Amino acid sequence: AQTVTQSQPEMSVQEAETVTLSCTYDTSESDYYLFWYKQPPSRQMILVIRQEAYKQQNATENRFSVNFQKAAKSFSLKISDSQLGDAAMYFCASLENAGNMLTFGGGTRLMVKP
Amino acid sequence: DSGVTQTPKHLITATGQRVTLRCSPRSGDLSVYWYQQSLDQGLQFLIQYYNGEERAKGNILERFSAQQFPDLHSELNLSSLELGDSALYFCASSRDRGNYGYTFGSGTRLTVV
Repeated sequence: AQTVTQSQPEMSVQEAETVTLSCTYDTSESDYYLFWYKQPPSRQMILVIRQEAYKQQNATENRFSVNFQKAAKSFSLKISDSQLGDAAMYFCASLENAGNMLTFGGGTRLMVKP
Repeated sequence: DSGVTQTPKHLITATGQRVTLRCSPRSGDLSVYWYQQSLDQGLQFLIQYYNGEERAKGNILERFSAQQFPDLHSELNLSSLELGDSALYFCASSRDRGNYGYTFGSGTRLTVV
């Protein structure tokens, strides 16, 4: 069974600075997908970024990028030029191609200081 | 608007009661997933349906059941409710296996008193 671990319950960053959220996962599959979801105070789950395990190139979406280390089973999220609107819970998740459900980590609460 | 519609948004009910949560998936999505999020916790997978058939089951209690109808909407039934069932219940949908991620509804906040 796949597991996802986020070791940082809370993180804070100064506005306009860069922050990195950590995530490790465990899977026995070679074909899988990794995701970061954002959950703002509204509680809506919003997909931030996606990574395909068979692609070595790290995914990037505007100010959001990942550092995907397949051998280490690590998938961190980097947020550049942090904005007040980035304050939220961030969840790392994995999906095995042979599996049927997205498995989430416990989340990291990100606070952005003005 | 994500395209996934969940009703009701809020529900307050007493212990021992039964409630039904409803979900309409995004247009074109055949898979529906139900997740439970207790206060400040991660999301726990409950159950998945694909085109009307149960596809996968997580740690769903026997008091809980779900189904997906021919029009692809889904309902999650929670019975003999306990205080510990208070949580945010999310429905999500995807095309095929969800390799491009799931689209989530805004959730139903259930409070059992």
